Amino acid sequence: AQKITQTQPGMFVQEKEAVTLDCTYDTSDPSYGLFWYKQPSSGEMIFLIYQGSYDQQNATEGRYSLNFQKARKSANLVISASQLGDSAMYFCATHNFNKFYFGSGTKLNVKP
Amino acid sequence: NAGVMQNPRHLVRRRGQEARLRCSPMKGHSHVYWYRQLPEEGLKFMVYLQKENIIDESGMPKERFSAEFPKEGPSILRIQQVVRGDSAAYFCASSDGRLAGAPGSYNEQFFGPGTRLTVL
Repeated sequence: AQKITQTQPGMFVQEKEAVTLDCTYDTSDPSYGLFWYKQPSSGEMIFLIYQGSYDQQNATEGRYSLNFQKARKSANLVISASQLGDSAMYFCATHNFNKFYFGSGTKLNVKP
Repeated sequence: NAGVMQNPRHLVRRRGQEARLRCSPMKGHSHVYWYRQLPEEGLKFMVYLQKENIIDESGMPKERFSAEFPKEGPSILRIQQVVRGDSAAYFCASSDGRLAGAPGSYNEQFFGPGTRLTVL
């Protein structure tokens, strides 16, 4: 079974600085994907970035990058140049073809 | 091109009442997934449906919860005789069933805004 662990319940970062949100995973599937979602206070789930297990390069999407270390089973999200609007809950997830497995989330607060 | 729609956005019920949550998938999508998010937790898979069929209900509580996705109309998640522990955000996601992100293939799912159920 798939399992996602996010060990940081809350994080603070100064505006314009970079921040890393940790995620470790456990899966027995030989092929899998890792996802990050943002959930602002309004509650919707916003897809940020995806990394396939066989991708040779770490995924990047604008200010978001995924530090994928397969041997360590980690898929940390790096947000560069933090903005006040980045304050939100962030969830790491993996999938089993038809369903997602989410971690418990990290609450990020960006300080001005 | 409307996204996934859920209604109501907020629902208040007293213990013992029934809650009906609706999800209209994105246009062209025939696959619907329901997730529950308890306070301070991540989303947990409940059920996966295609039109008129339940494909995977491994995350559904055995009692009081049911889901359907009729040929016409939205998908409905129904909770009978609600209890305080049912208070949560319920998210619906939809997909067109095509694989994305190969070789780590998955059904790309688009999430709705959620329904927040409060049981008094």
